Amino acid sequence: NAGVTQTPKFRILKIGQSMTLQCAQDMNHNYMYWYRQDPGMGLKLIYYSVGAGITDKGEVPNGYNVSRSTTEDFPLRLELAAPSQTSVYFCASSYSGQFSYNEQFFGPGTRLTVL
Amino acid sequence: AQTVTQSQPEMSVQEAETVTLSCTYDTSENNYYLFWYKQPPSRQMILVIRQEAYKQQNATENRFSVNFQKAAKSFSLKISDSQLGDTAMYFCAFMTRHTPLVFGKGTRLSVIA
Repeated sequence: NAGVTQTPKFRILKIGQSMTLQCAQDMNHNYMYWYRQDPGMGLKLIYYSVGAGITDKGEVPNGYNVSRSTTEDFPLRLELAAPSQTSVYFCASSYSGQFSYNEQFFGPGTRLTVL
Repeated sequence: AQTVTQSQPEMSVQEAETVTLSCTYDTSENNYYLFWYKQPPSRQMILVIRQEAYKQQNATENRFSVNFQKAAKSFSLKISDSQLGDTAMYFCAFMTRHTPLVFGKGTRLSVIA
């Protein structure tokens, strides 16, 4: 199994550009998550999904959109990139009921810089 | 709102020695789960240890153990026989049935040869 994969690994955007961060998992997990990690900080939840067709906002959703059309994929869309979105983005997945303690598996992260 | 506080931004320890990382949290829930994650320079998030709040016995995983004090809302991580490969950021995290993971700001641990 590849686990959780993310593409791209690095990206530089200009202010106002748009892009989609891709995330896929091959573990048949029902839950998927997007986090951002700013320098010197912990991870903050952007959006999460409990299954295909269902998404919910996390702590810092402004400026982002998500969709979950399949169990495997959970892309994160930035519509109008701003310098405040410069961060490392992590995708994660888990198999569980509602917020059980089952381990979240993390992808390797995408480092995004907005100039 | 649930919060997680790690009061030690940086720590260092000599190889083979023992170090304890502190974590406190705030919640009104009675059932919840606590975690320690390790993030080495590779950026990969690695689960180190987890604890269910309803279990009184402290969790252990090889050289890693926790001191869970529910009344004090404290969840410290002890690393015994520290190794150079333990050098990393360590994040304390918390979740309940109603909220996903909430992370602390992390503690940067350096193991010195």
